[in-house]
Amino acid sequence: GQQVMQIPQYQHVQEGEDFTTYCNSSTTLSNIQWYKQRPGGHPVFLIQLVKSGEVKKQKRLTFQFGEAKKNSSLHITATQTTDVGTYFCAGPSGGSNYKLTFGKGTLLTVNP
Amino acid sequence: NAGVTQTPKFQVLKTGQSMTLQCAQDMNHEYMSWYRQDPGMGLRLIHYSVGAGITDQGEVPNGYNVSRSTTEDFPLRLLSAAPSQTSVYFCASSSQRERTFGSGTRLTVV
Repeated sequence: GQQVMQIPQYQHVQEGEDFTTYCNSSTTLSNIQWYKQRPGGHPVFLIQLVKSGEVKKQKRLTFQFGEAKKNSSLHITATQTTDVGTYFCAGPSGGSNYKLTFGKGTLLTVNP
Repeated sequence: NAGVTQTPKFQVLKTGQSMTLQCAQDMNHEYMSWYRQDPGMGLRLIHYSVGAGITDQGEVPNGYNVSRSTTEDFPLRLLSAAPSQTSVYFCASSSQRERTFGSGTRLTVV
């Protein structure tokens, strides 16, 4: 079945440093979604990318969808303590936009 | 603006007991789903529903039942709880794009 892999599993940075997490799918994706989960919280939708090569920005966050639509990345510029949490990517599985396969996530911790 | 409401927030069960995790949404979404989250495993889909009266299995359905009698409600039933079902359970409701998650139920089976 489809697999969605994320690296790294953990990342610890000093406040102000940049952070990037990568997501790779075993199959071509029609779209990819990103979620953030704060410690003890629930996943919160960040963004959906649909087009090959698409780049979207949300303030200090930059999301990219690969040309082959099999990989994606999330880059945070100048991390802040409020960025702490686990970042998940997720892609449709079984040809259905309703069934999402989540990566295992990247846990980001920020040292103030 | 309730979104997705899950109850209870915490539950301790003894092995073999049954229980129902409740999930309700007020966004009139057709699609609802249940995930479990275990350390290092990400979110795994248990069951999902694309509308009232329609349910299907996800990645890890064994030991769980669901039903969808109304658009608003999507309860998850544990038939005979096992320690392997100790987890955090999230219900999600979605349009065709983003999922809105409930705050979760932390279940411990002893």
